[in-house]
Amino acid sequence: GEDVEQSLFLSVREGDSSVINCTYTDSSSTYLYWYKQEPGAGLQLLTYIFSNMDMKQDQRLTVLLNKKDKHLSLRIADTQTGDSAIYFCAEMMDSSYKLIFGSGTRLLVRP
Amino acid sequence: KAGVTQTPRYLIKTRGQQVTLSCSPISGHRSVSWYQQTPGQGLQFLFEYFSETQRNKGNFPGRFSGRQFSNSRSEMNVSTLELGDSALYLCASSPGTALSSGANVLTFGAGSRLTVL
Repeated sequence: GEDVEQSLFLSVREGDSSVINCTYTDSSSTYLYWYKQEPGAGLQLLTYIFSNMDMKQDQRLTVLLNKKDKHLSLRIADTQTGDSAIYFCAEMMDSSYKLIFGSGTRLLVRP
Repeated sequence: KAGVTQTPRYLIKTRGQQVTLSCSPISGHRSVSWYQQTPGQGLQFLFEYFSETQRNKGNFPGRFSGRQFSNSRSEMNVSTLELGDSALYLCASSPGTALSSGANVLTFGAGSRLTVL
């Protein structure tokens, strides 16, 4: 079945690292995505990873994928107040062109 | 390059009315997808169009429909509106075929916020 789960809330201090976790159930997923949503805005793509990769790094962002446990994480280094937003992980099955989203994790960065 | 444009951004309707939302994709993108976002249900897939054909459809009642025009612009329509249809409706465009990296990357618009009274 299709299901993506995330923790609802994370609070960190400015300058610390943030780690947002996600689990998914569909083993046929080929790509996993992280999107960011700020208040009143649409979804901004942050990064994505192919399901046969273990890790992807993009500036302050590091994505780790544990295929055995179907666990995906997004690490944000040196978190800034501008990183406060809701973060969604999503999976896409091969050739479906349909994203299955988690419920979103609200990140609050304290000054 | 202009992004994905959705109109209107905000609208208020009453129960029983119908509504049409519009989406203009990024130039060159042939796929348009629609998602509904509500506090209770989160982000849910409505449908996806590619070259004027619906390729995939989510689990929504027949009151929700869409279409895509030859210039890739898309509209979605909701008839006989219910209070539960109040939501942010997000449109996303993509090339519609996998990139050289293999990924299908969706770019989202800012959304149309529908309130049903």
